[in-house]
Amino acid sequence: DGGITQSPKYLFRKEGQNVTLSCEQNLNHDAMYWYRQDPGQGLRLIYYSQIVNDFQKGDIAEGYSVSREKKESFPLTVTSAQKNPTAFYLCASSLHRNTGELFFGEGSRLTVL
Amino acid sequence: AQSVTQLGSHVSVSEGALVLLRCNYSSSVPPYLFWYVQYPNQGLQLLLKYTSAATLVKGINGFEAEFKKSETSFHLTKPSAHMSDAAEYFCAVSDPQQGAQKLVFGQGTRLTINP
Repeated sequence: DGGITQSPKYLFRKEGQNVTLSCEQNLNHDAMYWYRQDPGQGLRLIYYSQIVNDFQKGDIAEGYSVSREKKESFPLTVTSAQKNPTAFYLCASSLHRNTGELFFGEGSRLTVL
Repeated sequence: AQSVTQLGSHVSVSEGALVLLRCNYSSSVPPYLFWYVQYPNQGLQLLLKYTSAATLVKGINGFEAEFKKSETSFHLTKPSAHMSDAAEYFCAVSDPQQGAQKLVFGQGTRLTINP
C-alpha cells in the first residue's frame, strides 16, 4: 500500500541534543512538508520541498533543518537552537502544485526532558 | 493573506444527533477549502474539499460541507453522529495559485460523541 511512514513514533531526548525525524513516502509525490502541531494551535508549516535538492522555509523554520536528497525521503532535524522542541511533528506529501490536498504520515511525538 | 476561524474548540453531541462544525475563512482570492479529520495520535486525513465546482461537497463517512461565499463559510455537517466520529477536525484554506505550501489551517475543533 502507498503511504507515508514516519519514524520513530515516540522519541525522548535531553535538552541540547539534535534529533532527526524520518519521513519516507512511496506515493511518487513531488512535494513534501513538515508541520508542527501544538495543542490549540492547529498545524504550522516548518519546511517544504517541491523537488529533489530544493526546499523552502515555512512559517516556523528557526531551529530546524531538512534535506531532500531523494524524492522519497524528507528528514527533519530538530536542532538544539529550537527553543521549545516538545511537540507532535507531522510529515505530509502532495502532487506538485496541487490544490492543497495533503497526505499525512502518522506523526512523531518528540519530548525533550 | 488567508485565514481560517473555527468557532468552538470543543463540540459535544449525542449519538444520532446532528453534527455541525463551523468554519469561516478570509481570502483575497477565490479559495479552495478543505476539512481534515485527526484521530488521537495519528496524522490528518482528508474528509472533503471544495475546489470551485459544486458548492455542496460530499465527503467520506457521511460528512458534507457547503461553500457559502456571501457568508465566507464552509461549515461541516453530518445528519447523525456515530461514536466513531469522535476526533479533531480541521478546516483549511488555500490559494489555488499557490498550492499546498500556502495551506492555512484553523485551530481545530474536538468533537465528542455522548452515548
